[in-house]
Amino acid sequence: GEDVEQSLFLSVREGDSSVINCTYTDSSSTYLYWYKQEPGAGLQLLTYIFSNMDMKQDQRLTVLLNKKDKHLSLRIADTQTGDSAIYFCAEIPTSGTYKYIFGTGTRLKVLA
Amino acid sequence: DTGVSQNPRHKITKRGQNVTFRCDPISEHNRLYWYRQTLGQGPEFLTYFQNEAQLEKSRLLSDRFSAERPKGSFSTLEIQRTEQGDSAMYLCASSSRTGKYGYTFGSGTRLTVV
Repeated sequence: GEDVEQSLFLSVREGDSSVINCTYTDSSSTYLYWYKQEPGAGLQLLTYIFSNMDMKQDQRLTVLLNKKDKHLSLRIADTQTGDSAIYFCAEIPTSGTYKYIFGTGTRLKVLA
Repeated sequence: DTGVSQNPRHKITKRGQNVTFRCDPISEHNRLYWYRQTLGQGPEFLTYFQNEAQLEKSRLLSDRFSAERPKGSFSTLEIQRTEQGDSAMYLCASSSRTGKYGYTFGSGTRLTVV
């Protein structure tokens, strides 16, 4: 089956780093994404990584990709209260339709 | 560019009624997607269009669901004879032709069937 797995909750103190983990299903997935969802809102694209990359950094965000273990992580440096949200990883399997398979989401709570 | 717009934001309907949602994508995006999200879950793919052609439908999309995208612009998603299990957030997204750089999502329509 197609299951993208994420831990459900993460709590960190403001100013600390957050690391959100994801295990995806298709070892051939070419494109992997992180989205953020705030309460009652749609999803906001944070960053993406292609399978020919191991790491991508974008300001406070660092994405690490371990293709061997099918593991994706998102590190948020200097986490702020505004980062409190649900974070979804998503993959596009090699079906060619650009259809996402989403994880169940990780709820990040940032404590002041 | 005002992003992806979805209407209504909220809809409460009685079981058995029909409902229709509308999505206006980013104008230069030719791909449009519908996803459904239930509480505590990630979004699940329903269907997608490239221009006016509906290219794929999920098995989740029963015969009571129909989606259209006339003229390749806005899209509508209709649910006939709603059931309580249809209660969810319906999300629309659009992307450029490749989609590999990510989607732009709308804020969603939350459907509650009572």
